[in-house]
This record gives sequence, structure tokens and C-alpha cells, in this order.
Amino acid sequence: EDKVVQSPLSLVVHEGDTVTLNCSYEVTNFRSLLWYKQEKKAPTFLFMLTSSGIEKKSGRLSSILDKKELFSILNITATQTGDSAVYLCAVSSGTYKYIFGTGTRLKVLA
Amino acid sequence: SQTIHQWPATLVQPVGSPLSLECTVEGTSNPNLYWYRQAAGRGLQLLFYSVGIGQISSEVPQNLSASRPQDRQFILSSKKLLLSDSGFYLCARDRGTNTGELFFGEGSRLTVL
Repeated sequence: EDKVVQSPLSLVVHEGDTVTLNCSYEVTNFRSLLWYKQEKKAPTFLFMLTSSGIEKKSGRLSSILDKKELFSILNITATQTGDSAVYLCAVSSGTYKYIFGTGTRLKVLA
Repeated sequence: SQTIHQWPATLVQPVGSPLSLECTVEGTSNPNLYWYRQAAGRGLQLLFYSVGIGQISSEVPQNLSASRPQDRQFILSSKKLLLSDSGFYLCARDRGTNTGELFFGEGSRLTVL
């Protein structure tokens, strides 16, 4: 059965800290790995990764994929209170098929 | 703009009552559309997807049904709600490649009492 596992489940840090969120997966037909940020309602798209070892960056956020070890990490440097959210990892594993993890809840304290 | 509208935003319904959640998409023709449910402490669960008018694929057999009466309209329904139907329902579309990123609406929060 295809699955996506995220860790940790929750995390509390102070502003300015750096955090690393993990996503491991087991799927039969990997197409891409996606990261989302969900604050209150709609998840908003952060990154899509398809190739191993190529870092994607957007401001203080970055992500990388390891297709050999079947995992991805999302790094957030110099965290701010606005980074507080649930971060979701999803894997596209076939036509119209996206498998989501349960998410990591990040809380950044001022 | 390719905005996804969902309504109602919040709904409280008694067990056994019917349900209708609506999703409409702007700015794109023949989108691939999805209904997901997010229960507390759980990941997003795919309920249905649709590749065109009248074309519905169900991923999980359950108390819910979906319909796509128009190209940009996707409706989630139930004839009789169960307590277990409570959750946050998200409508989404993909970029048209069915494997790239998904874009989500604001969601409908359903509480069944």
C-alpha cells in the first residue's frame, strides 16, 4: 500500500531557529513530491520535486529530494511567527493519484 | 486567475440529513477536479476525482457521492449524513497534467451532530 510518513508530528521552536521537516514515502510509481503549507484553510503550494539532489529554494524555505532513500526534507531558516502552520507532504504516484502525509504542525514562538 | 470557490464555508448538520457542497473553478477549461477530506489528525484522503462533465471516479466507497454537471462545477453530496462524515472538505484542481501540483479551494468545514 502506498504511504507517506511525515515527522515530527509537531514542533515548537523560537523565532530565528532553523527547522527541518521530514517526509518519507513508499509508492509503487513515483512521479513527484509536493510540499504545502496549511495555515487555516486551503493548503498553499510550496515546492514540487522530481529529481534527486536538486535543491529548490524560495526565500528562507528550501527542499531536496532523495529518490534512492525515498525521502525529502523541508528546511526553514530564521523562522518567523508567520511560519506557524501545518506542513503537508504529498507524493504523486500515478494518474490522478496523490498520497498525503498527516502533516507536521509547526509553532514558532516570538 | 484560476480561483476555486467552495461553499458553504461552514456547515453544521444533524445525523441523517442530506448534504450538498459545491465547488466552482474560474479561469480554466476542462479542469481535472478532486474532492479531498481532511479529518482531525489525519492526512488528506481522496474521495473523488473528475476529468470531465459527468465523469466521476470514486476512490473510497462510502456514504458520499459526487457529480459534475458543468465543466467548472463539482458537487459533493450525501443523502444521509453519518457522524463519521465530519471533517474539512477540500476541492482541488491540478495543472492539467494530472501529476503536478494541486491547487485547493478554501474548504468547507462540516460538523455532523
